[in-house]
Amino acid sequence: AQRVTQPEKLLSVFKGAPVELKCNYSYSGSPELFWYVQYSRQRLQLLLRHISRESIKGFTADLNKGETSFHLKKPFAQEEDSAMYYCAPGGYQKVTFGIGTKLQVIP
Amino acid sequence: GAGVSQSPSNKVTEKGKDVELRCDPISGHTALYWYRQSLGQGLEFLIYFQGNSAPDKSGLPSDRFSAERTGGSVSTLTIQRTQQEDSAVYLCASSPRQGTGNTIYFGEGSWLTVV
Repeated sequence: AQRVTQPEKLLSVFKGAPVELKCNYSYSGSPELFWYVQYSRQRLQLLLRHISRESIKGFTADLNKGETSFHLKKPFAQEEDSAMYYCAPGGYQKVTFGIGTKLQVIP
Repeated sequence: GAGVSQSPSNKVTEKGKDVELRCDPISGHTALYWYRQSLGQGLEFLIYFQGNSAPDKSGLPSDRFSAERTGGSVSTLTIQRTQQEDSAVYLCASSPRQGTGNTIYFGEGSWLTVV
């Protein structure tokens, strides 16, 4: 089964500081990985997926097969980044999310 | 509509009553998921439907929980004899079977409060 682990339930950073939300995966083969975000009073939505190699709202995530990681990074945090972030595997089967990390950006 | 639709958005029920939560997935999406979101507990997988295959019920917490999906579209999650620990947000999501990335699209959730 495809599994992901998010080791931090809460991450607090000051505005303007770099952000790194950790995600590790534990399965073989070619992983498909996603980051989802839930802003306050909004529905959970896709932030980015590794196959797109895109930057969304200043966030990037690189798949590191050596470290089996897919950490989400942003060089300068903004207050509007405060939200719940979930890492998840993709693929054509049931999707079990990580526990999620609450990012709190302190003004 | 274009998105996943859930109803009711809020439900307050008395302990011991049965509740039904409804989900209308995005048209054409063959995969449908139910999750439970509790404060501090993240997203708990409940059940997964994929086309005409038997659903994966491995996440249902007890036999009081059941779900069905009629005609490969609308799904209903039923909780019998509700308990206070069932209070949570129940999220439905759908996903296309084919295509790149297999992104999951979520509804806004049904907030269940058992009193």
